[in-house]
Amino acid sequence: AQSVTQPDIHITVSEGASLELRCNYSYGATPYLFWYVQSPGQGLQLLLKYFSGDTLVQGIKGFEAEFKRSQSSFNLRKPSVHWSDAAEYFCAVGGTTSGTYKYIFGTGTRLKVLA
Amino acid sequence: EPEVTQTPSHQVTQMGQEVILRCVPISNHLYFYWYRQILGQKVEFLVSFYNNEISEKSEIFDDQFSVERPDGSNFTLKIRSTKLEDSAMYFCASIQEANSPLHFGNGTRLTVT
Repeated sequence: AQSVTQPDIHITVSEGASLELRCNYSYGATPYLFWYVQSPGQGLQLLLKYFSGDTLVQGIKGFEAEFKRSQSSFNLRKPSVHWSDAAEYFCAVGGTTSGTYKYIFGTGTRLKVLA
Repeated sequence: EPEVTQTPSHQVTQMGQEVILRCVPISNHLYFYWYRQILGQKVEFLVSFYNNEISEKSEIFDDQFSVERPDGSNFTLKIRSTKLEDSAMYFCASIQEANSPLHFGNGTRLTVT
């Protein structure tokens, strides 16, 4: 069965510091992986996606993520965090199960940025 | 850029009442989803819909829930008799084809009193 684990519920970083948010997945075939960001009271916005090819993918707002098949991970990174990055971040895996295309989300990581 | 729209943005209802949450997916999209997020918790899958029928539903999506695509543009989620624990943010999403990223609406906050 598909599953996604985000081990860090809360992360606090200082503005300008680097960031890495962890995501581990379980899926029987090659997964389709996504990171979404949710600002308070808002919907979910796609940051980036991985389907195949280059395992380092670039997204919007200066984010990137690296797919590591051997570790079943898809960690999100940003070299220098801005105060506006404070939000909740969700990792998701998509794939076909029993003929249905389905997305499963992790529990989210809430990012706090200190000035 | 086309977007998924949801109405209303906030719905308050009394326990036991029926509610209908409305969504207009992106026009050329073919797969439609409802997700739920209880305050501060994870985004939970409710149901997927393709080719005018439910393709999968979660255990949350019991007999009190139903979905409909009445007119080729709207996609609705109905809760027949709301319970306090139905209070949550409900997100509609759509995709054009399998394996493409979900496009989410801004959600409807449902408050059951």
